[in-house]
Amino acid sequence: DTGVSQDPRHKITKRGQNVTFRCDPISEHNRLYWYRQTLGQGPEFLTYFQNEAQLEKSRLLSDRFSAERPKGSFSTLEIQRTEQGDSAMYLCASSQADRAGYGYTFGSGTRLTVV
Amino acid sequence: AQSVTQLDSQVPVFEEAPVELRCNYSSSVSVYLFWYVQYPNQGLQLLLKYLSGSTLVKGINGFEAEFNKSQTSFHLRKPSVHISDTAEYFCAVSGAGKSTFGDGTTLTVKP
Repeated sequence: DTGVSQDPRHKITKRGQNVTFRCDPISEHNRLYWYRQTLGQGPEFLTYFQNEAQLEKSRLLSDRFSAERPKGSFSTLEIQRTEQGDSAMYLCASSQADRAGYGYTFGSGTRLTVV
Repeated sequence: AQSVTQLDSQVPVFEEAPVELRCNYSSSVSVYLFWYVQYPNQGLQLLLKYLSGSTLVKGINGFEAEFNKSQTSFHLRKPSVHISDTAEYFCAVSGAGKSTFGDGTTLTVKP
């Protein structure tokens, strides 16, 4: 297995445009998480899935953000009408639900810059 | 609810010196505890974890951490650091669902 893959690695977009990121987790992992990280801060939870079900979504997440995991494998995170405050590193991680204490495997992240 | 406080935002040390990065947590339920390391322009990598049992856990790259339930702490230590240990370190707490991360400690190892 090649680990957790995220695409693209970098994205520059104009304010108001929509962007979509993709995450491919480790194949045997049934949980997938999205986090956002800004400079000087730790990863901030956005949402997570178990298989195709979205189990939790951060209350800090505006309606402009949506995530899907349609077949319980890869996931997409879409941001509509981007704002400059959305500029951040978006991290994806995966894990196995029955091994909650074993931690996450993270991807390398997608760096979003909104200009 | 769960939260993590990393008590030092930056820790500069000289090569071959010992180091301790401090982490306190709070949670209303039993938790799992983690330390992750992030090198520049890379994702987070699991350094070590505490599930249960012995309160002293060993991880990769010579790091270890001690779980102290009464003080709700999980401090990370290394007896002798190398230049290559320069990175950002994150403490995290998890229940059965998501993990909550601290804001990180930047460890800078000087020659």
